[in-house]
Amino acid sequence: EVQLVESGGGLVKPGGSLRLSCAASGFTFSSYSMNWVRQAPGKGLEWVSSTSRDSNYKYYGDSVKGRFTISRDNARDSLYLQMNSLRAEDTAVYYCTRGSDAFDIWGQGTMVTVSS
Amino acid sequence: QSALTQPPSASGSPGQSVTISCTGTSSDVGGYNYVSWYQQHPGKAPKVMIYEVNKRPSGVPDRFSGSKSGNTASLTVSGLQVEDEADYYCSSYGGRNNLLFGGGTKLTVL
Repeated sequence: EVQLVESGGGLVKPGGSLRLSCAASGFTFSSYSMNWVRQAPGKGLEWVSSTSRDSNYKYYGDSVKGRFTISRDNARDSLYLQMNSLRAEDTAVYYCTRGSDAFDIWGQGTMVTVSS
Repeated sequence: QSALTQPPSASGSPGQSVTISCTGTSSDVGGYNYVSWYQQHPGKAPKVMIYEVNKRPSGVPDRFSGSKSGNTASLTVSGLQVEDEADYYCSSYGGRNNLLFGGGTKLTVL
């Protein structure tokens, strides 16, 4: 079964850091671009970051540029998101997704809450 | 770049058709054929229903169709069913390695 499973979410204070992980299974992970998309409570979807198959290209939304870093380990079939200098407005469910221009596989999401 | 513009709500009765619009600019929706539509039920992850404007992934009913005219993309759901009640989001490549989402439309099946 094709699956993405996120982990690493939790409660963190403003200014703190958190690292999200996404474990992929059921497909050839190294053949796909991967992404992070978030959804604040009761709000819409927001694209966060994308990485190419070989990690040569990494892109970020304006709201996280300079604070978040996407990475992947194709040997471990895993995607990561290092989040630094967290703000209250980063509070959201973070989804790991597969694909380039369209996201055909989504994880179940991991909740990140930034609050003092 | 601003999010794409969708109506906050839409509705229809079972068996009817409903169309949801997604308006952008010539720099995103109008400039590329990379418009996707996602369905999200409460508490669930989104699911892609349409990609590249009008292509349907396997397993998506042919009641769902997509189109584009100028800077506006549309999702049409024909033969509405109760299970189609959900939030729908459009997305488009926005140029400069940027992806945009719409604000979402809550579809109610009356």
